[in-house]
Amino acid sequence: DAGVTQSPTHLIKTRGQQVTLRCSPKSGHDTVSWYQQALGQGPQFIFQYYEEEERQRGNFPDRFSGHQFPNYSSELNVNALLLGDSALYLCASSLVGQQNTEAFFGQGTRLTVV
Amino acid sequence: AQSVTQLGSHVSVSEGALVLLRCNYSSSVPPYLFWYVQYPNQGLQLLLKYTSAATLVKGINGFEAEFKKSETSFHLTKPSAHMSDAAEYFCAGNTGGFKTIFGAGTRLFVKA
Repeated sequence: DAGVTQSPTHLIKTRGQQVTLRCSPKSGHDTVSWYQQALGQGPQFIFQYYEEEERQRGNFPDRFSGHQFPNYSSELNVNALLLGDSALYLCASSLVGQQNTEAFFGQGTRLTVV
Repeated sequence: AQSVTQLGSHVSVSEGALVLLRCNYSSSVPPYLFWYVQYPNQGLQLLLKYTSAATLVKGINGFEAEFKKSETSFHLTKPSAHMSDAAEYFCAGNTGGFKTIFGAGTRLFVKA
């Protein structure tokens, strides 16, 4: 059973560019959450998707947007990249309504903005 | 508002010694609490979770944690540290909403 898979694993972009990160949830999961983990910090919630809709959003600007597809996979898009967007981006999947169960995390995408 | 605080950004123990990583939460409702471990350049792996069934929770790799409502704490312990336990540990909480709140993390160093 494949767990959560993210692509690419590493990415280098230039300031002002746009980037798309991808996530496939664990088999059987229908909810995808995205987190940003800056160096030396804990993961920060960006947003969560269920039924192709954004259900909740953290304190991130509109430059961060997302999408969920009918097969539950998801994309995270970041426009007008800033140096401060450099971080490990983690995708987590879970089942709707199951907040008492853990989210399963992917290995992350390391984004470097230069 | 919900928050999770981890006391100590770095903890160093000798191999074979007790591991104690501290976590306190702030929540208006009983939370679901988790401990995750992260190895370098890896995602997060669940160690254990508290979901109100039992206050003492046992997890993988010999770790356990005790939920103490009176102290709003959920400290992680392991009786005997192993070199392979060196990693970053995150305490996290969810009050039934959509998002899980993470602490800032504690890096565990294990000395030979």
